[in-house]
Amino acid sequence: SQKIEQNSEALNIQEGKTATLTCNYTNYSPAYLQWYRQDPGRGPVFLLLIRENEKEKRKERLKVTFDTTLKQSLFHITASQPADSATYLCAPLFSGGYNKLIFGAGTRLAVHP
Amino acid sequence: DAGVIQSPRHEVTEMGQEVTLRCKPISGHNSLFWYRQTMMRGLELLIYFNNNVPIDDSGMPEDRFSAKMPNASFSTLKIQPSEPRDSAVYFCASRAQGDGYTFGSGTRLTVV
Repeated sequence: SQKIEQNSEALNIQEGKTATLTCNYTNYSPAYLQWYRQDPGRGPVFLLLIRENEKEKRKERLKVTFDTTLKQSLFHITASQPADSATYLCAPLFSGGYNKLIFGAGTRLAVHP
Repeated sequence: DAGVIQSPRHEVTEMGQEVTLRCKPISGHNSLFWYRQTMMRGLELLIYFNNNVPIDDSGMPEDRFSAKMPNASFSTLKIQPSEPRDSAVYFCASRAQGDGYTFGSGTRLTVV
């Protein structure tokens, strides 16, 4: 069955540094992959979508890469700020029969002043 | 737009009772999804609708769970009878074709 792996341990970084989060998937080839941010007590918020034919996507301080050979996506936040502290969820599209997003468990990011 | 609206925000009920969760998607979005989130299992897709029609309900845990979408602006998720293991945060999300999902604030369900 399809499996999604994100760093289970929290990522702690200093303000101003670049945060890099990893998402690995196995047993399927998603047509696209999305990244979401989730704050405690809130629903996930959509950040970026990257398609299988795109290597990289940027939005302000965010950058996502998608390597279909390695079956991996990297999510970068440059010049990180304490307000970036949240859990970040990776969600590849699963196309087996019905198209549906399957979410990873998420990685908690803590940016310290 | 007010976003995806879910009610209630919190629900505490006794085992065996019927629970109904409600969702109003964003106007114009043609897909609606119900997810459940727990610490152990993360976000799990329960069911999704496209143009008010249920497309995939393979994630619905068992017959105690049912979902309806009588029109484009309203959906319900019902659990009858409820059990303590159903305790979780239930999210509704909607989407326009090709876009990311917009999630509601969720309903935190506690079954005692």
